[in-house]
Formats: sequence, C-alpha cells, structure tokens
Amino acid sequence: DVVLTQSPVSLAMSLGERATINCKSSQSVLYKSDNKNYLAWYQQKPGQPPRLLISWASTRESGVPERFSGSGSGTDFTLTISSLQAEDVAVYYCQQYYSSSRTFGQGTKVEI
Amino acid sequence: EVQLLESGGDLVQPGGSLRLSCAASGFIFSTYAMSWVRQAPGKGLEWVSSISTSGYNTYYADAVKGRFTVSRDNSKNTLSLQISSLGAEDTAVYFCTKDPIAGAPLGVFEYWGRGTLVTVSS
Repeated sequence: DVVLTQSPVSLAMSLGERATINCKSSQSVLYKSDNKNYLAWYQQKPGQPPRLLISWASTRESGVPERFSGSGSGTDFTLTISSLQAEDVAVYYCQQYYSSSRTFGQGTKVEI
Repeated sequence: EVQLLESGGDLVQPGGSLRLSCAASGFIFSTYAMSWVRQAPGKGLEWVSSISTSGYNTYYADAVKGRFTVSRDNSKNTLSLQISSLGAEDTAVYFCTKDPIAGAPLGVFEYWGRGTLVTVSS
C-alpha cells in the first residue's frame, strides 16, 4: 500500500497566520501518462463528515475559500491555509487515489 | 442536491454480521462509482471498499477482503455493504461516499453521508 505520512500531527496557530501541512508519500502518485498527481485533501470538523477541499494536488473544489491551496508533486505535497480563520479549526487529511487501494494520511489537527 | 443517507449500523457481537445501506438522491446514481470509508472512534479515515457504476468491479482494503461485500442496486439508488466476521477493529462510523466524475472509479470522495455507527462488542 501507498503510505502517506503527514506532518505535523498537530498545529496551534493564531488567527491570520499561515498554516502549512505536509504530506509525504511512500511512492510517487504522479501518473506519467496524464502528468497528474493523484492526491486529494479533506477537512473534517468535529462531529461532521469530511469535506473534499482539493483534488489533483492543487485543484480547489467549488466553494472552497481561496485561502486554501495545494501544491507539490511526486511524493511531497503541501496544504496551505494562507490566513487562518476560526472556522478552519479541523483535522486535515491527505489521500491518494493513484493506487486502487486508496489510503489516507493520519491527519493533522489545526487549532487556534 | 446530493444526499447520501446511511443506515443499518448497530451493536453487534464479535463474529457477527450486519448489512449497511446508503440511500442516494440528487444525482444519477447509476453513473457514479461509490465507496465506503470508515472512521474508528477518535481515529483517522480508512478506505474500505469501492464499486463501479455497474457493480461489476469491486475493490476492497486488505483489512476487510473476504469479510465485506459491496453491492449496489441502481434501480433503487442504493449502495450496500455486507459486513461479516466482525471484530473489535471494525468498530467505526461507516461513511458512504460518491465519486466526483461519472464513469470509471476515480477514488476521490466528493460527497459524504453523515455515517452510520457499527459497534462490535460482547
């Protein structure tokens, strides 16, 4: 299985600060035939199901605020929240869909 | 509006079985691959199973292979997960999810239901 390792495990930030979450894959999730990275990011707030934020490593879903951005390629990826808002308190997960056996990172808890 | 409503979760004894269902609405169910993802209490997300639009192709995590069976009824817009030989490690909220693109399974979980809780305990 493709193992995704997120860092840090938790992040305590102040409002308005820039938050950066890393996701490292045990193997490349870049599909050479279409030059796409098969990696997504999700946000899960307490008591709620996860919400898809970003797919293809950097494509923001409709309705997701512009302060959320994804970057990276191959094995190293980053989710950035440019200016942390109170409503961004959540656990964030990366997920790969390169392999038919889908896997998630262990999650990063963002607190204020 | 896409809606996914899971049901069937319950308290079950170790070794027992259960059938989970997901009623889908707000989209053309038969054209989207579907998946189950679970989350143990206080833990992270774990992909469980996916199924193609026709139901012909199914995929399972190693942890559930041989014990869980995913199926769908496109005439009733329903996704199901038959789970058996349950152990404590299967205790989790089970989420029904929808792929974002019609056609072949992509494995991105665009829409999620609120989940149904399966508790395995004697």
